[in-house]
Amino acid sequence: DGGITQSPKYLFRKEGQNVTLSCEQNLNHDAMYWYRQDPGQGLRLIYYSQIVNDFQKGDIAEGYSVSREKKESFPLTVTSAQKNPTAFYLCASSIGQERDTQYFGPGTRLTVL
Amino acid sequence: AQSVAQPEDQVNVAEGNPLTVKCTYSVSGNPYLFWYVQYPNRGLQFLLKYITGDNLVKGSYGFEAEFNKSQTSFHLKKPSALVSDSALYFCAVRDPQEYSNYQLIWGAGTKLIIKP
Repeated sequence: DGGITQSPKYLFRKEGQNVTLSCEQNLNHDAMYWYRQDPGQGLRLIYYSQIVNDFQKGDIAEGYSVSREKKESFPLTVTSAQKNPTAFYLCASSIGQERDTQYFGPGTRLTVL
Repeated sequence: AQSVAQPEDQVNVAEGNPLTVKCTYSVSGNPYLFWYVQYPNRGLQFLLKYITGDNLVKGSYGFEAEFNKSQTSFHLKKPSALVSDSALYFCAVRDPQEYSNYQLIWGAGTKLIIKP
């Protein structure tokens, strides 16, 4: 089965703790993305990566960090500097061409207690 | 500035009736346009896209969308709604002249409710 997996599905964190969300794809896609989704709002781009060992900040990168050491993996760390981290986080990937379609994982819901 | 508007937060349709979910955009060049659907607590699923060519695009689950350049719209349609179509629908656009990467600009989403 080809696709994008995200884990865990639900995640709880205490204030002041860093937490890492996993995103893996076996679609052989070059580009990967992290989005944040809040109720009543569209998706907001946190970080994206077009090739291994390279990534760029999106619109709301503050308080987040990423790495892209392997083509199939793009983990997102939510740091304690993120002031309002409770949200639904979506990972996506695409081939890496201008006309291509982004495909999404099932998402991780992060709740800060 | 580039933007996407979905003017209706919610659309209610009776099962069997036609449905329309509206999307308008503002980009400087010729846009690439996308529709996605999201079921509760799930990721987004791709429905269809317009790149070039025929203004009427057909997609998954019987959905179609019409690109109207003069009205800068890309409305999603289906001739006969099913209860299972109830979900959150997102329109997205990419202006290939503005970005050197593959970022999409997203609408805020429209909740579609199909009543039996």
